Amino acid sequence: QKEVEQNSGPLSVPEGAIASLNCTYSDRGSQSFFWYRQYSGKSPELIMFIYSNGDKEDGRFTAQLNKASQYVSLLIRDSQPSDSATYLCAVKVGQGGSEKLVFGKGTKLTVNP
Amino acid sequence: DVKVTQSSRYLVKRTGEKVFLECVQDMDHENMFWYRQDPGLGLRLIYFSYDVKMKEKGDIPEGYSVSREKKERFSLILESASTNQTSMYLCASSGWAGAEAFFGQGTRLTVV
Repeated sequence: QKEVEQNSGPLSVPEGAIASLNCTYSDRGSQSFFWYRQYSGKSPELIMFIYSNGDKEDGRFTAQLNKASQYVSLLIRDSQPSDSATYLCAVKVGQGGSEKLVFGKGTKLTVNP
Repeated sequence: DVKVTQSSRYLVKRTGEKVFLECVQDMDHENMFWYRQDPGLGLRLIYFSYDVKMKEKGDIPEGYSVSREKKERFSLILESASTNQTSMYLCASSGWAGAEAFFGQGTRLTVV
């Protein structure tokens, strides 16, 4: 099993809809989880981080974490064409200071006007 | 704001050359990472470092080495460049162990 898996997509939603992006991870000891957005030809940029079970909201974005199910999700409400990008789930894996940041392959989201 | 700077945006090298990719961060971060990104394969970790002179292999270290002589600088070295190392290379840094990582602008390396 890969360390971090995302639904492969691509995902297409109409403008104004809710986009739902999912991610599972294999290391039960992981404590830090991140969602990055990457526009074509650009570097990944951080959207949200979450460390505790439950929901974390920031504007139109909500990250959800369920450590028992080893599942992280990102909801984008009122999706806009500018949200069209690849979304990367990332998990810090390891312990004792030598933690590595492992990424899923990403889900490409297209928001149609 | 955190700034992570990679030495080159685009690079073209010949097969067999020794290639150095440099990355500098200005936030006194302990952790630094080198990834390569290829279509359909996502971001794959090559090497990472959690302290000066400390390094650990990632998922695809073959054909690469790294150097971290100073805290702010993390170098990726392609010992003998090959065409299958043509890729986008991304450097990132993060502070304490659980913190988010910040990326440089990327280096698109072409090996001919």
